[in-house]
Amino acid sequence: EAGVTQFPSHSVIEKGQTVTLRCDPISGHDNLYWYRRVMGKEIKFLLHFVKESKQDESGMPNNRFLAERTGGTYSTLKVQPAELEDSGVYFCASSQSTRDEQYFGPGTRLTVT
Amino acid sequence: QQQVKQSPQSLIVQKGGIPIINCAYENTAFDYFPWYQQFPGKGPALLIAIRPDVSEKKEGRFTISFNKSAKQFSLHIMDSQPGDSATYFCAATDYSQGGSEKLVFGKGTKLTVNP
Repeated sequence: EAGVTQFPSHSVIEKGQTVTLRCDPISGHDNLYWYRRVMGKEIKFLLHFVKESKQDESGMPNNRFLAERTGGTYSTLKVQPAELEDSGVYFCASSQSTRDEQYFGPGTRLTVT
Repeated sequence: QQQVKQSPQSLIVQKGGIPIINCAYENTAFDYFPWYQQFPGKGPALLIAIRPDVSEKKEGRFTISFNKSAKQFSLHIMDSQPGDSATYFCAATDYSQGGSEKLVFGKGTKLTVNP
């Protein structure tokens, strides 16, 4: 069974540009989570989808971040325009139901210069 | 404010040693405490988890000790091996909240086990 996949693995962009991160959850997992780890800090929750609906987006830092989950399958996280403080590793996780183990992807390392 | 505090930030032990990683939490509503292990280039993977109705849980060489009154929990790795070298994260969540079981993580501990 394929795990959670994320693309790209690494992205380097300039301040003010736009970047879109993609996450493909494990097939059949209704729950999809986005987290972010800024260097030296803890992994922080961004938002949670149940199928295509946003269950909880309390962790989204500001309106420069837009997350979507098309048809309850893959999800994208767009940062527009990117700022220096957006640099970090963005993790996606999925679970079959809300109290099941969350399986994490390898992350996307975003560097904003 | 940081809801889950983890220490130490880094830890070096010799093979066979027993590294101990400690975490403390503030939110008394937390009712599920997992530990994640992360190797370079990989995402965090669930290692072991505990609920507050037990004081200790063992899975192989990994043990969680839980002190509800002190709001603290710790991970012990018995007979540590070089292959255990990784970053370890403690986490907590409130399952009773319903809806989003978002994980609240500590800052992580980089463990190095020397041969």
